[in-house]
Amino acid sequence: EIVMTQSPATLSVSPGERATLSCRASQSVNNNLAWYQQKPGQAPRLLISNASTRATGVPARFSGSGSGTDFTLTISSLQSEDFAVYYCQQYRKWPPMYTFGQGTKLEIK
Amino acid sequence: EVQLVESGGGLVKPGGSLRLSCAASGFTFSSYTMNWVRQAPGKGLEWVSSISGTSDYIYYADSLKGRFTMSRDNARNSLYLQMNSLRGDDTAVYYCAALGAFGAFFESWGQGTLVTVSS
Repeated sequence: EIVMTQSPATLSVSPGERATLSCRASQSVNNNLAWYQQKPGQAPRLLISNASTRATGVPARFSGSGSGTDFTLTISSLQSEDFAVYYCQQYRKWPPMYTFGQGTKLEIK
Repeated sequence: EVQLVESGGGLVKPGGSLRLSCAASGFTFSSYTMNWVRQAPGKGLEWVSSISGTSDYIYYADSLKGRFTMSRDNARNSLYLQMNSLRGDDTAVYYCAALGAFGAFFESWGQGTLVTVSS
C-alpha cells in the first residue's frame, strides 16, 4: 500500500507571500497525483491533477510540480481565500485505490 | 452544472445499518465512475468505494472488510451505499464524488452527509 505523507502539518504564511506544500509517496506514483483544497464545512475541491494540470477555474497562482515520489503545491501570492487545508491524493490503476495524504493546514501568519 | 446531493445520514447505534443515497444531475451520470469518500470529524479524507458507470466493477477500501455495499441506478441518476455492522470509527461525513475523464481524480463532490455511530 502506498502511503502519502504531507509536510508540514501546519504552515503559517502572510497574505501576499508564497506558500510551498510538500507531498511524498512511499513509492513511485509517476504523475498520478492530485491536490485538493478544503475549507471549513465544505467539500474538497480539485485544484491540480496529473501533478501539474490546473483544474478548470483554478487561479494561475496555484501550481503543481513533481513526479515519482516527491511533489509540491505552490501558491505564488496568497490571497485571503486560500487559507484552507490542502490534501494530496494518489491513484493506483489496478486494482483501483485512491490514497490521500493527511493534509496541510495553511493558516494566516 | 454538476450537482451531487447526498442524503440518508443520521445517528445509528453500533451494529446497526444505514443506507446513503446520492442524487446526481447536470452530467451524463452513467458515463462516470462514482465514489464514496469519507472524513471523520477533524480528520483527513479516506476513499471508501468506487463503482464503474455500468456497475461492472466495484471496489472497496480494504478496511471495510465486506461491511459496505455500493450500488447505482443509472435510470434514477442515483448512487447508494449500504452500510452494515456499523462501528464508532465509521462516524464521518460521507461524500459522493465523481472521477474525472482520466479516472484518477475526484472532479466533482457533493456536500456530504454525516453519519454518527453511537449508543
